[in-house]
Amino acid sequence: AQTVTQSQPEMSVQEAETVTLSCTYDTSESDYYLFWYKQPPSRQMILVIRQEAYKQQNATENRFSVNFQKAAKSFSLKISDSQLGDAAMYFCAYRSHQNTGTASKLTFGTGTRLQVTL
Amino acid sequence: KAGVTQTPRYLIKTRGQQVTLSCSPISGHRSVSWYQQTPGQGLQFLFEYFSETQRNKGNFPGRFSGRQFSNSRSEMNVSTLELGDSALYLCASSATTGTVLEETQYFGPGTRLLVL
Repeated sequence: AQTVTQSQPEMSVQEAETVTLSCTYDTSESDYYLFWYKQPPSRQMILVIRQEAYKQQNATENRFSVNFQKAAKSFSLKISDSQLGDAAMYFCAYRSHQNTGTASKLTFGTGTRLQVTL
Repeated sequence: KAGVTQTPRYLIKTRGQQVTLSCSPISGHRSVSWYQQTPGQGLQFLFEYFSETQRNKGNFPGRFSGRQFSNSRSEMNVSTLELGDSALYLCASSATTGTVLEETQYFGPGTRLLVL
């Protein structure tokens, strides 16, 4: 079974600064997807960024980028130019690439609460 | 396109009762997955439906069940509610190409269930 670990329960960053959230995972599969989701106080789960394991290039979405290290099974999220609206719970998630019953399941980490200060 | 919608948004029930939650996926999405989020257990997968069939099920007791209708709307039911069932229930939908899931699940706002 796959597991996802987020070792930072809380992080804090000043507005306009850069912060990196860590995520490691364990899997025996070679092909899979990794995601970062953001959950603000409204509790709506919002997709931030996704990475396909077979792509070596790190994904980027505006101020959000990832550092994907497949061999190390590491998938960190970098938020540049942090804004007050970035304050939220951030979840790292894993999904199998296979078209099997298990492919529909997202396995989540425990989350990192990000505070953004002035 | 409208996003994933869930009703009701909030619900209060007492132990022993049953509850039904509803989820309408993004138009055109045929796969619907359900998750339970609690402070103690985090986010856990309940089940996934595609084309009115349950394709995948998480490790939850039989009191948790679901179904999907021909228009892809899904319901989940929890019978004989327990205090520990208090949680945020999230529904997510995915597009498919044939039966193959596309990679991203899009979430609804959730239903907050409180069991007293």
